[in-house]
Amino acid sequence: AQRVTQPEKLLSVFKGAPVELKCNYSYSGSPELFWYVQYSRQRLQLLLRHISRESIKGFTADLNKGETSFHLKKPFAQEEDSAMYYCALRNSGAGSYQLTFGKGTKLSVIP
Amino acid sequence: DTEVTQTPKHLVMGMTNKKSLKCEQHMGHRAMYWYKQKAKKPPELMFVYSYEKLSINESVPSRFSPECPNSSLLNLHLHALQPEDSALYLCASSQDRTGSYGYTFGSGTRLTVV
Repeated sequence: AQRVTQPEKLLSVFKGAPVELKCNYSYSGSPELFWYVQYSRQRLQLLLRHISRESIKGFTADLNKGETSFHLKKPFAQEEDSAMYYCALRNSGAGSYQLTFGKGTKLSVIP
Repeated sequence: DTEVTQTPKHLVMGMTNKKSLKCEQHMGHRAMYWYKQKAKKPPELMFVYSYEKLSINESVPSRFSPECPNSSLLNLHLHALQPEDSALYLCASSQDRTGSYGYTFGSGTRLTVV
């Protein structure tokens, strides 16, 4: 069975400090991982896909298959980064594809 | 149009009522999803439609009945709900059922069952 673990419920950092939101996964197949973000009073939206290897809003995430991790990083936090962040794993089994979410980490950037 | 639109935004219903939640997208996406999100919890998958056919039902009680009239619309019919069904109901869509390009979520319907 697949599982996504985000060990921190809440992460507080000062503006300008580096940010790392942790995500570990458990999956027997070839995983596809995503980060979704939910700003206050806004809809859940896709932030990053591991297969695209892109940087969005200064965030990057690298899939480490050896450590089964997909941590989200940003070198300098901004106040507008304060939000709820969900790591998600897309699994495939028996021809079906499902997106499994971690429990989320609330990032609070202190001015 | 790059959005998933859900109506209504808020709904209060009694346990004997029948109501429907609606979801619409015009991005040409061929997979659509219903998720349930309780406060401070991650979204939980309820149903998946792929090419207007139900492909996944995550053991959801029959008091929730999904319907996909066409490739742009997804409904969730509600009947005889319980107070514990109160939650944010999210609709999402993806280009296809693989979801490799990510999902686009609606803003949700906040449902309160009294």
